[in-house]
Amino acid sequence: DQQVKQNSPSLSVQEGRISILNCDYTNSMFDYFLWYKKYPAEGPTFLISISSIKDKNEDGRFTVFLNKSAKHLSLHIVPSQPGDSAVYFCAANRYNQGGKLIFGQGTELSVKP
Amino acid sequence: GAGVSQSPRYKVAKRGQDVALRCDPISGHVSLFWYQQALGQGPEFLTYFQNEAQLDKSGLPSDRFFAERPEGSVSTLKIQRTQQEDSAVYLCASIPGSNSISGNTIYFGEGSWLTVV
Repeated sequence: DQQVKQNSPSLSVQEGRISILNCDYTNSMFDYFLWYKKYPAEGPTFLISISSIKDKNEDGRFTVFLNKSAKHLSLHIVPSQPGDSAVYFCAANRYNQGGKLIFGQGTELSVKP
Repeated sequence: GAGVSQSPRYKVAKRGQDVALRCDPISGHVSLFWYQQALGQGPEFLTYFQNEAQLDKSGLPSDRFFAERPEGSVSTLKIQRTQQEDSAVYLCASIPGSNSISGNTIYFGEGSWLTVV
């Protein structure tokens, strides 16, 4: 039962263009959604999050959009930089279970110079 | 230390061998989590400690998996009679307080890579 899904295993984007990473979920009880970035041989690091009561959160080059009716969220990176190349994980949790994250399978982003 | 520290970083075990993976959370962090990440998959929750109390072990895949945190700081994940399907990266994470809603305060270690041959 995959409650959080990232259907694109990989994405390749030219430097300076927009990267859009997508995530779908099935559990309408999720209260919080997060994006993590992971470099090889390192642990995941937090990138940006959004509460279920919002539809957009922005932090510098990173914006997360949430469409609750479609149970879909996306991460936009503008402009993309080669250093953004990594695996991006979408995750969700419920209130008072902040550390118990449900992760998607990840999308490997490659930003080409 | 500055971050979550895990050891060993890499472990090769023969099938049937017992292994122990160690996690040193950030000093003073109350809550500690273990995750298992199989190749090509996202991390999956295994278990959660608040101080020394194991409050959630719903993700442990079998009774061969055992975790402890006897003094509320360092934690050990033990896997008995390892099987090939146990091959994965085992991630430890900690947060400063109790199991809060804000996932952005979760700090992950670099993981222990276990290969069972």
